[in-house]
Amino acid sequence: EAQVTQNPRYLITVTGKKLTVTCSQNMNHEYMSWYRQDPGLGLRQIYYSMNVEVTDKGDVPEGYKVSRKEKRNFPLILESPSPNQTSLYFCASSRGAAGRYNEQFFGPGTRLTVL
Amino acid sequence: AQRVTQPEKLLSVFKGAPVELKCNYSYSGSPELFWYVQYSRQRLQLLLRHISRESIKGFTADLNKGETSFHLKKPFAQEEDSAMYYCALKSQTSGGSYIPTFGRGTSLIVHP
Repeated sequence: EAQVTQNPRYLITVTGKKLTVTCSQNMNHEYMSWYRQDPGLGLRQIYYSMNVEVTDKGDVPEGYKVSRKEKRNFPLILESPSPNQTSLYFCASSRGAAGRYNEQFFGPGTRLTVL
Repeated sequence: AQRVTQPEKLLSVFKGAPVELKCNYSYSGSPELFWYVQYSRQRLQLLLRHISRESIKGFTADLNKGETSFHLKKPFAQEEDSAMYYCALKSQTSGGSYIPTFGRGTSLIVHP
């Protein structure tokens, strides 16, 4: 089944403890991205990647890192999480790095709580 | 810079009533617009895209370049339409690729 998977789905952690949220897609998509979803603020893009080893900042990149060493994986790294990073995180992928008409496929979301 | 505005955070209607979820955009280029939907406890998924000019689940959306709008409409709302709706704009970067920008979303509640 074609899909985007994220792990973990739920995570409670403490301030300053490094964590990684994994994202994987099996559709051979070039484009991958991370969003956070907060009440009243909707979806905001954190980072995106056009292809392997090509990443760029989105609208809210502060406090996050990403890497794209393989086409299928796009992990989101929080080196020193803070409470304001408590949010619902979505990974998404899309066919074609420059796809004007291509839709995005979303993962199930990761609910992160930073105490 | 590109921008997508969904002016209503919440839209509440009764079953059978018409519904219109507003989306306005700001973009200097030729826009490509999408509507995504997120049902309760589910992931976001594409509802419809401008280029396809299709009707999905009774919803339609027409691009009005004069008013820079892409409102989502349905003549008779159903309870199962209750969800969060996001309007998205694909805009071109300096490198030639297309990056999506999402609006803040509108929560639609359809009462029985």
